[in-house]
Amino acid sequence: DVKVTQSSRYLVKRTGEKVFLECVQDMDHENMFWYRQDPGLGLRLIYFSYDVKMKEKGDIPEGYSVSREKKERFSLILESASTNQTSMYLCASSPLPGQGPPEQYFGPGTRLTVT
Amino acid sequence: GEDVEQSLFLSVREGDSSVINCTYTDSSSTYLYWYKQEPGAGLQLLTYIFSNMDMKQDQRLTVLLNKKDKHLSLRIADTQTGDSAIYFCAERGNTGRRALTFGSGTRLQVQP
Repeated sequence: DVKVTQSSRYLVKRTGEKVFLECVQDMDHENMFWYRQDPGLGLRLIYFSYDVKMKEKGDIPEGYSVSREKKERFSLILESASTNQTSMYLCASSPLPGQGPPEQYFGPGTRLTVT
Repeated sequence: GEDVEQSLFLSVREGDSSVINCTYTDSSSTYLYWYKQEPGAGLQLLTYIFSNMDMKQDQRLTVLLNKKDKHLSLRIADTQTGDSAIYFCAERGNTGRRALTFGSGTRLQVQP
């Protein structure tokens, strides 16, 4: 079974702090994604990575950065946390097209509260 | 950008069928997905359908795709209280973007 794990289920941080959210997948997938989920808005893509050290902005990248130093690990960084970044953050991974079922596998999520 | 729309809420009685509907705008969609999210959990893939199919059945789940109208539905037969969750429709286009575009989710409430 594909496993995507996230470093924390719940996190409380103060405004202005630098926040790291970690995600690890064990299926050797090339693609990894960070989404945020807000009520009534569904999931919105923040960043994705299609290879080590490669990244592309998603739909809402402002205020975030990412790091992918190893294939299995994709980190989301909030450079200076703000209250409007209070949300559920979901990490996902998927294989390259043609290298497996076209499925995107999700981690359990990190609920971040910025006070 | 591309858009995926769903109604926000559906209430059914236990044992009835549930039908959750979704519309999308991306005419180049290759795959369409249904995910389930239970309270406090991540997203669980229920099923997906390739865009050249019009129906897929998997036990109690039936997915119907009308590509002309860009309409996708998920039917759950014999709905149980354990089916209460939020259901997300998502699509993957053919433009090189590898991420999925999600709808806002439909909360299904199953009443005993």
